[in-house]
Amino acid sequence: SAVISQKPSRDICQRGTSLTIQCQVDSQVTMMFWYRQQPGQSLTLIATANQGSEATYESGFVIDKFPISRPNLTFSTLTVSNMSPEDSSIYLCSAQTGTYGYTFGSGTRLTVV
Amino acid sequence: LAKTTQPISMDSYEGQEVNITCSHNNIATNDYITWYQQFPSQGPRFIIQGYKTKVTNEVASLFIPADRKSSTLSLPRVSLSDTAVYYCLVGGSSMDTGRRALTFGSGTRLQVQP
Repeated sequence: SAVISQKPSRDICQRGTSLTIQCQVDSQVTMMFWYRQQPGQSLTLIATANQGSEATYESGFVIDKFPISRPNLTFSTLTVSNMSPEDSSIYLCSAQTGTYGYTFGSGTRLTVV
Repeated sequence: LAKTTQPISMDSYEGQEVNITCSHNNIATNDYITWYQQFPSQGPRFIIQGYKTKVTNEVASLFIPADRKSSTLSLPRVSLSDTAVYYCLVGGSSMDTGRRALTFGSGTRLQVQP
């Protein structure tokens, strides 16, 4: 099955700074999806990234806070901007990489201090 | 998308069979039922998908009654390494082009004891 490489795997950041998370898929995919997962909680969709167009954000998430790039069919980045401690979470990317079933990256554990 | 309801947590012992039931009363005709497994510090991993009756693979079995309003994930002879969160998802189809994100419910936290 396909592999999604996500980095960094973890980071500790100062409040007010920004962090860019990268996801690389080893095959071309139409859509890539970005999720946030609070400790002990389920996954919440942040946005859907389609190559060549602006990402579509879910309610409660805005482009200024979570800008997304999708320069080609195998790569996407999510930036967490002007971070605060409330942004501390696990961020995951995903894509459908087979006939069915979605593959996820291993996640980025972000701690904002 | 159909809402799903599953137990928050379950406990089991090594070697036992574990059955996790998910309710999805509003499942649509074209919806499939998919289960994912998530270990700590990892992204969710696809386990099994089905539409009706029974599906079995090397990891689990999925039982779906005729009315499709519920489904049961069966894990035979669990081991400590099966300790994880299991998510039941409903929607899309096996031929979905991947244009729709998955919607996760609360999941079931399975703890396997020695």
